[in-house]
Amino acid sequence: DVKVTQSSRYLVKRTGEKVFLECVQDMDHENMFWYRQDPGLGLRLIYFSYDVKMKEKGDIPEGYSVSREKKERFSLILESASTNQTSMYLCASSLVSGTGGDFSNQPQHFGDGTRLSIL
Amino acid sequence: GQNIDQPTEMTATEGAIVQINCTYQTSGFNGLFWYQQHAGEAPTFLSYNVLDGLEEKGRFSSFLSRSKGYSYLLLKELQMKDSASYLCAVLDSNYQLIWGAGTKLIIKP
Repeated sequence: DVKVTQSSRYLVKRTGEKVFLECVQDMDHENMFWYRQDPGLGLRLIYFSYDVKMKEKGDIPEGYSVSREKKERFSLILESASTNQTSMYLCASSLVSGTGGDFSNQPQHFGDGTRLSIL
Repeated sequence: GQNIDQPTEMTATEGAIVQINCTYQTSGFNGLFWYQQHAGEAPTFLSYNVLDGLEEKGRFSSFLSRSKGYSYLLLKELQMKDSASYLCAVLDSNYQLIWGAGTKLIIKP
């Protein structure tokens, strides 16, 4: 079974702090994703990566950055945390199917999420 | 713009059948996913449809009509553990996943 592990289930930080959320997957997946999930809204894509050192902006990248130095690890960074970044953050990974270029029709496998509160 | 619509909440009785609908308007289509998400847990993959028709997997079935921009997830013989949110997501022409807000399914004894 695919295992996607996020470093923290719950995190409380202060406004203005630099926050790091870590995600590790153990199935050698090429694609990795960071989402935030808020009540009443669908999952919103922050950033994704289809290879080491590669990153692409998603729908809501403002205020975030990412790092992918190793294939198995994808980090989300809140440069200067603000209260509107209080949310559930979900990391996911997927295989590349070979039919869609870098992006595939393979299902995404999710971590358990980090519930981040910014005070 | 791109849009996925699902009912916000549904209630059903243990042992019954429930159908959760999803309609979509996206720029292109490369398939539709259904995920299940229990409260406080990660979404887990249920099904993927790219061709029209019904796909059955045990108690769960998923249907797709590309011409109507419509899918449904059918859950039979409902169990209490089926209480969860069900997320519909469409792969658009750029292979980007567009997510619905999810349908919270409440199962009553």
